[in-house]
Amino acid sequence: QITLKESGPTLVKPTQTLTLTCTFSGFSLSTSGVGVGWIRQPPGKALEWLALIYWDDDKRYSPSLKSRLTITKDTSKNQVVLTMTNMDPVDTATYYCTIWTEIVGFDPWGQGTLVTVSS
Amino acid sequence: DIQLTQSPSFLSASVGDRVTITCRASQGISSYLAWYQQKPGKAPKLLIYAASTLQSGVPSRFSGSGSGTEFTLTISSLQPEDFATYYCQQLNSYPPWTFGQGTKVEIK
Repeated sequence: QITLKESGPTLVKPTQTLTLTCTFSGFSLSTSGVGVGWIRQPPGKALEWLALIYWDDDKRYSPSLKSRLTITKDTSKNQVVLTMTNMDPVDTATYYCTIWTEIVGFDPWGQGTLVTVSS
Repeated sequence: DIQLTQSPSFLSASVGDRVTITCRASQGISSYLAWYQQKPGKAPKLLIYAASTLQSGVPSRFSGSGSGTEFTLTISSLQPEDFATYYCQQLNSYPPWTFGQGTKVEIK
């Protein structure tokens, strides 16, 4: 059974850097064709894809946020870390991590973690 | 970026109704489209991938069709547990893998 869980701060101040960790089980990020992605959802709004890291360490970022995002993986710990710099109140959202495979896409997802940006 | 437009944004329906949601892409995406269901306070759940393939464990009352720029999600007989928000997502052209704005299905 594949599970993912996000962890990190629930509150960050404007201009700070957010660091979120996705800890997963049931698969290996060293398996060809697998990736882990991050997607966020502001309260009451739609989903927004942020970043993806592939099994071979290739990375993809949302063009609109690329300058602020970094995604890394630690295969031995079954973790993927997303950092987002210069946080702003508009970045307040629930952040989800999810496994990606080429045929199926994004499934399953973690439960999500709500991050509030406020001074 | 490829834009996805869902219609309607909101619909009110009764248990047993047949419901259809449309997702239109701003350019052709072949069959690289997924549909998700999201209930309040929960993560999205994948229903359909590759436009028409039902994800394992998803009831057969859900179906998807379309290719190119126009896609539909159909619920053949709406059940109480189906009241939720539905999103489409294109997986053809990235980055970014864009989502539609969502369709909220509520009880009439």
